[in-house]
Parts: sequence; structure tokens; C-alpha cells
Amino acid sequence: QQQVKQSPQSLIVQKGGIPIINCAYENTAFDYFPWYQQFPGKGPALLIAIRPDVSEKKEGRFTISFNKSAKQFSLHIMDSQPGDSATYFCAARAAGNKLTFGGGTRVLVKP
Amino acid sequence: EAGVTQSPTHLIKTRGQQATLRCSPISGHTSVYWYQQALGLGLQFLLWYDEGEERNRGNFPPRFSGRQFPNYSSELNVNALELEDSALYLCASSWGWGGDEQYFGPGTRLTVT
Repeated sequence: QQQVKQSPQSLIVQKGGIPIINCAYENTAFDYFPWYQQFPGKGPALLIAIRPDVSEKKEGRFTISFNKSAKQFSLHIMDSQPGDSATYFCAARAAGNKLTFGGGTRVLVKP
Repeated sequence: EAGVTQSPTHLIKTRGQQATLRCSPISGHTSVYWYQQALGLGLQFLLWYDEGEERNRGNFPPRFSGRQFPNYSSELNVNALELEDSALYLCASSWGWGGDEQYFGPGTRLTVT
């Protein structure tokens, strides 16, 4: 019940395309859902986050869509650029400030 | 503003030895978290410290332990190292008990041979 399932594992898009990464969860006690971006050799960087009482949140070219009834949320990267090529992780927070992470999606944006 | 810092960058140990990893949180943050990022296992929560106390622990054996100092920096100790402990160990910090946003450091790459 603590799992967060992330798909796809990898994604290739052309520059300007919109990569979409999906995550699903079971635990209804999760109360905060962040997304992280990780480049090789670096730690994860907080990108954007949402709470379950909000259906959509935009920050720059990044948008989270949240469907509480379906227990699913997704990240859209608008007008993707080669510099967005990285691994993206969704996460969900339960009691005790523990973040449970999805398995990650490797995104490649071709020029 | 300086981010979360971790030392050392790389650490090579032999099976059975002990490893000590260090973390300095963002200035003003009182909570420190430790995560393990192992190949094939993803990011897994290890420990949470706030105000010098252990507040939560992930599903790891007792040989993984740590502490938080009065200046909020933290140390992770791994005793009796096993080969499968080889991983990137990430430290994160947040504003405190109710702090939503966890900011990660660059990690310490631990290799056990």
C-alpha cells in the first residue's frame, strides 16, 4: 500500500514536444506529492509539488495534474528542451515525513 | 543561499567495515532526512531527524544509524558493511516538523568491496 507506481520507465521526445509521466498510488493517507528532477551524478532537485485538494498546478513549463478519485497524478513538460533530458521521480509523503518514490522515468529530448 | 552539502563525495570501504557519512542542511532547516539510492531499488527512505531526535525510520536494519548535532548537521553510520550497501546516499533537509519541501544534497557514493 506504500508503493508509488511510475510509468513509463523511459521516454524520447523531439524538442518542443510534451513528455507526460504518470504515477499511481494506493495509500489515501499520502498528503503531498512532489516531483524531482535528477541529472547524472547529482542529487534530485525539487521541481514542483501538489496537494490532493488541488487538481492542477503550473510552474513555468512544468504542470502537475492530480486526480484524487483515481489516485493518479502526472507531470507534463511543456515545450521540452534538450536541457530537460534527465530522470524524473514522482513521490508521495506519508506520516513521519517519509517520501515514497516512484521508480523514475528517464526522459530524452532530442534536438 | 548554500544548499545541502554532503561529505565525502566518494567512499570506498571493505565488507565488514564501518562507514560514516556527513550532511549539513540548508541554513535555517532543522529537519534532516537520509535516503538510499541503490541500482535497481530506487530511492528509499532511511531516517528522519528533527531537533536532534530520530523521528522516523525506514525499513532498514539497525546497523544503519545516525544522529543529529546541535547545529542540525547530521551523520549516518553504517556498520558491518555488506556488498549490497553500495549505493548513493542522499541527505535532504526541510524547515522542520511540518516542512513540506525536502531539498537534497549531491549525495555520497559508497562502494563496498
